[in-house]
Amino acid sequence: KNEVEQSPQNLTAQEGEFITINCSYSVGISALHWLQQHPGGGIVSLFMLSSGKKKHGRLIATINIQEKHSSLHITASHPRDSAVYICAVISNYQLIWGAGTKLIIKP
Amino acid sequence: DGGITQSPKYLFRKEGQNVTLSCEQNLNHDAMYWYRQDPGQGLRLIYYSQIVNDFQKGDIAEGYSVSREKKESFPLTVTSAQKNPTAFYLCASGRFPEQFFGPGTRLTVL
Repeated sequence: KNEVEQSPQNLTAQEGEFITINCSYSVGISALHWLQQHPGGGIVSLFMLSSGKKKHGRLIATINIQEKHSSLHITASHPRDSAVYICAVISNYQLIWGAGTKLIIKP
Repeated sequence: DGGITQSPKYLFRKEGQNVTLSCEQNLNHDAMYWYRQDPGQGLRLIYYSQIVNDFQKGDIAEGYSVSREKKESFPLTVTSAQKNPTAFYLCASGRFPEQFFGPGTRLTVL
């Protein structure tokens, strides 16, 4: 079993829908990282959080340390949000990566 | 502009040939990393370097080699010993745990 599990693996939605991507982990962590990978391959960091909730524009990330779970939400989704969203946890000075969730937003 | 560059974006090689992937950064970061990405899997760490002239094996170092002669540069050589080299390779730099990524190189071995 992977130490970091993301769900769903693939998600297709219509423009405007509220999107939720989940990340569950089985190890103790000091922080969790959400990143976005566009079709061209480059990866950018969205959030790093160790508790509570962070918001940036239409993106919201939450984490529940007790339940070892984090969610990434996208409000009013848009086709330009189409990308792979990757969760990574920081545990014992290592980054452990999830396999990613491929999101497609249709106009 | 500050950032990380990787070249080339696409690379094709014949089986049995060594190939070197370039990674350059002008962010003045001490630490640099090489990852391999395969479909349906998380990033896997190949090698990392925390300082010039020093580097450490990651989780999947077999069949790869690196050098770190300059702070700005961390080239990765995929040797003929790597059994399944076709993959997407990402270079990153930054102070742990924050990492900045290059655009990646897609290597196809024919």
